[in-house]
Amino acid sequence: DGGITQSPKYLFRKEGQNVTLSCEQNLNHDAMYWYRQDPGQGLRLIYYSQIVNDFQKGDIAEGYSVSREKKESFPLTVTSAQKNPTAFYLCASRNTVTSTDTQYFGPGTRLTVL
Amino acid sequence: EDQVTQSPEALRLQEGESSSLNCSYTVSGLRGLFWYRQDPGKGPEFLFTLYSAGEEKEKERLKATLTKKESFLHITAPKPEDSATYLCAVITGANSKLTFGKGITLSVRP
Repeated sequence: DGGITQSPKYLFRKEGQNVTLSCEQNLNHDAMYWYRQDPGQGLRLIYYSQIVNDFQKGDIAEGYSVSREKKESFPLTVTSAQKNPTAFYLCASRNTVTSTDTQYFGPGTRLTVL
Repeated sequence: EDQVTQSPEALRLQEGESSSLNCSYTVSGLRGLFWYRQDPGKGPEFLFTLYSAGEEKEKERLKATLTKKESFLHITAPKPEDSATYLCAVITGANSKLTFGKGITLSVRP
């Protein structure tokens, strides 16, 4: 089945730790995105990448880092500089070839800081 | 700055009671408007994309419409399995960035 996978489903972090969230897609999509979702707020864009080895900051990039070494993978690192990292993190991808603009989402990772 | 406002925040319906969810937007240069469904603890599931005023799309009990200022998601004769949070998002500009509303939580009682 084609789709987007995120792991782990739940992640617990201690203060001062960096953690990496995985996002993999086998849809052959060029563009990938990371969003953060907090209760009572809309999804907010953290980082996005439209091509391998290139990525741009979104609206709330501070305290996060990404890499895009392979087309299928777009991992997100939540660093200790992120002051309030507890949230639901969503990865999405888009087919730039068909230019439909539609983003498809993975199942999400819930990060909790202990 | 692009803004998307969804109303009401929450809606409780009796099974079979039709209603509409509203998404109003203030953007410069709308390229598209999207509706997603999100179940608790899961990622959003794509429902519809609308590109121009007057466009309508349907899927089962759902119908999405678009005007120059807002979009409606009409739910006809809803069932309990339609209970979810419905997200609206707009896309503007050349970088395909989505701006989301806060969502509408729909609860359908049997």
